[in-house]
Parts: sequence; C-alpha cells; structure tokens
Amino acid sequence: KAGVTQTPRYLIKTRGQQVTLSCSPISGHRSVSWYQQTPGQGLQFLFEYFSETQRNKGNFPGRFSGRQFSNSRSEMNVSTLELGDSALYLCASSLQTGLNTEAFFGQGTRLTVV
Amino acid sequence: AQTVTQSQPEMSVQEAETVTLSCTYDTSESNYYLFWYKQPPSRQMILVIRQEAYKQQNATENRFSVNFQKAAKSFSLKISDSQLGDTAMYFCAFMKEGSGNTGKLIFGQGTTLQVKP
Repeated sequence: KAGVTQTPRYLIKTRGQQVTLSCSPISGHRSVSWYQQTPGQGLQFLFEYFSETQRNKGNFPGRFSGRQFSNSRSEMNVSTLELGDSALYLCASSLQTGLNTEAFFGQGTRLTVV
Repeated sequence: AQTVTQSQPEMSVQEAETVTLSCTYDTSESNYYLFWYKQPPSRQMILVIRQEAYKQQNATENRFSVNFQKAAKSFSLKISDSQLGDTAMYFCAFMKEGSGNTGKLIFGQGTTLQVKP
C-alpha cells in the first residue's frame, strides 16, 4: 500500500511569487491535513480537508489556501511569498472514521523563499 | 484552546539504557487522544504510540510505553533498551475526539533524543 506522497520534495521560490504543493493521501483516506514546520514555531496546523470540504483552519493569513479534489488529493497554495514562509510543509492523511484517527505523514516539501 | 508542552528540548541516552521523555498538556475536553510521533533526520513523521483518554491502561508498543496521568494531564514516553535507530526528534501531540475531531493535531515543541553507542 503506497504511503502519503508529497510533491515536490524541494522548492526554491522568490519573495512575492506563489507556490502550489501537492499531497496524495493513502488510498481510501478522505482526510488530509497540512502542517507547517519551522525551527522557531515548531509544527503548526494549517488546515484540514475531508471529502472536499475544509473542516478546520489554523491561524494563518489568507495567503495560505488549500483545496481537495474528488480523489482526495489535496493542494496547498501560498501566494505572495514571504521569507518567513520558508519551512517544511507536511501533509497527513487519515481515515477519520470512528476511533480510527491515526495520521500518516508524507516526507514533506521543503520550501525555501529567497 | 489546547496546548502541549515538552519541557526537555534535548536528551541523550546510552545504547541499551532506558529514557523517559516528558509531556504535559492542557485541555478542557474530556475525550481526546494523545500521541507520540518520531521524526528522524529523514523528516518522515512516524507514529510511535497512541493513547485514548478514556482508557486507564497505559499503552505499550514493544520497547515503547507511556505513563498517562489524566488528572495531572501528563503523558510521558518511556523507551526501553534504546537503540541507535531511536535517535530522532520526538513530538507529543493532542487530538480532540468525537464531533470536535477534525484531524487537527496539536504538537509540542519536540524533544531531540540522541542515542549514544
């Protein structure tokens, strides 16, 4: 069974540009969550999608947005990039049914903003 | 709002010895889950162990066990017979249960564990 796949693994962007990150969840998983990991702030929740609907959103500016497609694949977009957006972006998928809440993480996308 | 605190930024242990990582949390929820995740240098987050708050029995997974003290809101991880492959950053995490469960994990700041040969 394939794991969570995030593409690309590495990205270098210039301030002011926009970027789109992709996450393919484990087959059958309908929940996809996104997290930002930085040395200073640690791991912070961005948002979660379930069956194409955003169910929860963290405290990030509107420049951070996402969506989920009918096949449960998710994309995250950051517009007008700032130096502080440099981070490891992690995606996690889960079944989110009953007690089955285990989140499986991808290897992340390392975004560097210069 | 829920918070998770890991007060030990770094720890080290000799191979084959036992080490305990601390975690405290704050919540007004009655039903929730607690997790320990491991993040090795490869950056892949791996679930180590999970505890349901309604269960009094502490979870165990091979060399990994937890000490869950619900009243004290404490959730420590014990690693027995430490191995070099246990070297990683360890994160304690909290998730609401039930209708409030929206896949949101709240993480602590992490503890870097170094296992020395």
